[in-house]
Amino acid sequence: NAGVTQTPKFRVLKTGQSMTLLCAQDMNHEYMYWYRQDPGMGLRLIHYSVGEGTTAKGEVPDGYNVSRLKKQNFLLGLESAAPSQTSVYFCASSYFSGRDYGYTFGSGTRLTVV
Amino acid sequence: ELKVEQNPLFLSMQEGKNYTIYCNYSTTSDRLYWYRQDPGKSLESLFVLLSNGAVKQEGRLMASLDTKARLSTLHITAAVHDLSATYFCAVDKDDKIIFGKGTRLHILP
Repeated sequence: NAGVTQTPKFRVLKTGQSMTLLCAQDMNHEYMYWYRQDPGMGLRLIHYSVGEGTTAKGEVPDGYNVSRLKKQNFLLGLESAAPSQTSVYFCASSYFSGRDYGYTFGSGTRLTVV
Repeated sequence: ELKVEQNPLFLSMQEGKNYTIYCNYSTTSDRLYWYRQDPGKSLESLFVLLSNGAVKQEGRLMASLDTKARLSTLHITAAVHDLSATYFCAVDKDDKIIFGKGTRLHILP
């Protein structure tokens, strides 16, 4: 049982390049989330999804897009990377009713934009 | 808009001492979570608090929730070095889970 898997774990991008971060969960969770973590800022919610085919904006959605075409996968896209998007990105998931059981986090993706 | 505030943001304490981390939030919610994060690692779930008056304990850590005051506390009893980490509270509101900025706890031997 892998839980929540994020790929890649590390990436360096040049300004203006695009990339997609993949989050995959094998727990049949309905809810999935993308966060970014910056020093002194805690975790800030970028986008989230409450089920296959749905997405919604979080606290800091600008510059990012997401898709949830399959229940087990939640993709985060950067169309034109900027240095301000240098961060550690975490994906999390939970059951619908299992929010009562908390959330499972992936191991993170460390992204540097130069 | 839901806001979650933790204090203190940094805490340095001696082994054997007791201390409390506070988590205040701005709108009504009855789900609050505590997580631990070690440097360079992901987040580990510590406690899930689901109702007013909920209290949970695990080892030297005890968490409580007062939904009327919109306050949760994480109490550390007789701290040991292994508890050094960053602790986050998070509040669930309208399908969003919003985190506080974290409390970086450093326990001195």
